[in-house]
Amino acid sequence: ETGVTQTPRHLVMGMTNKKSLKCEQHLGHNAMYWYKQSAKKPLELMFVYNFKEQTENNSVPSRFSPECPNSSHLFLHLHTLQPEDSALYLCASSQDPGTASSPLHFGNGTRLTVT
Amino acid sequence: DQQVKQNSPSLSVQEGRISILNCDYTNSMFDYFLWYKKYPAEGPTFLISISSIKDKNEDGRFTVFLNKSAKHLSLHIVPSQPGDSAVYFCAASDGNAGNMLTFGGGTRLMVKP
Repeated sequence: ETGVTQTPRHLVMGMTNKKSLKCEQHLGHNAMYWYKQSAKKPLELMFVYNFKEQTENNSVPSRFSPECPNSSHLFLHLHTLQPEDSALYLCASSQDPGTASSPLHFGNGTRLTVT
Repeated sequence: DQQVKQNSPSLSVQEGRISILNCDYTNSMFDYFLWYKKYPAEGPTFLISISSIKDKNEDGRFTVFLNKSAKHLSLHIVPSQPGDSAVYFCAASDGNAGNMLTFGGGTRLMVKP
């Protein structure tokens, strides 16, 4: 399998649930990212990992907890979410996080609905 | 306040004609700009980019123009094809931010056969 793969594609969870989103990249990239796309809003960067180390946390609430066990896998652990957290969560990877000329490769996203 | 804005939420164009998608930015520190294209149920894919040292970059049917003084860039698609129908996102980066991009809200392009 090539590219960036995200699972699940769709997720419905209650506010008291704990769930995890998974992302895997098969491109040999060094950096991985979580983006959030809410309705009527631009894509918002949440987290950046470079060589498994978190280099950016864009003021994301602690109910979102990322994990990057290696440079190919990225998780987003979710707990006690709010309905306003319902959104499309996109994972991306790039060869070099330090330059925008190394384009992001996105997965197809997880559509999350919090009830 | 949004630093990257795409003021047209949608655009409809006839097949074969030119599509022009616009993007404005406010941060004068932005020095690299990208366009991404997104089909429904898929993630965005990189389309074309431009550095602030240039005012034009062309790749096949796609050309991006940058007007630094106006803080404006545009994506031209000529000729437009029905397969170009998608949402187009403009994104920007400053030298320090690297690949931590600031995105616009997107413009939905519909190319009619």
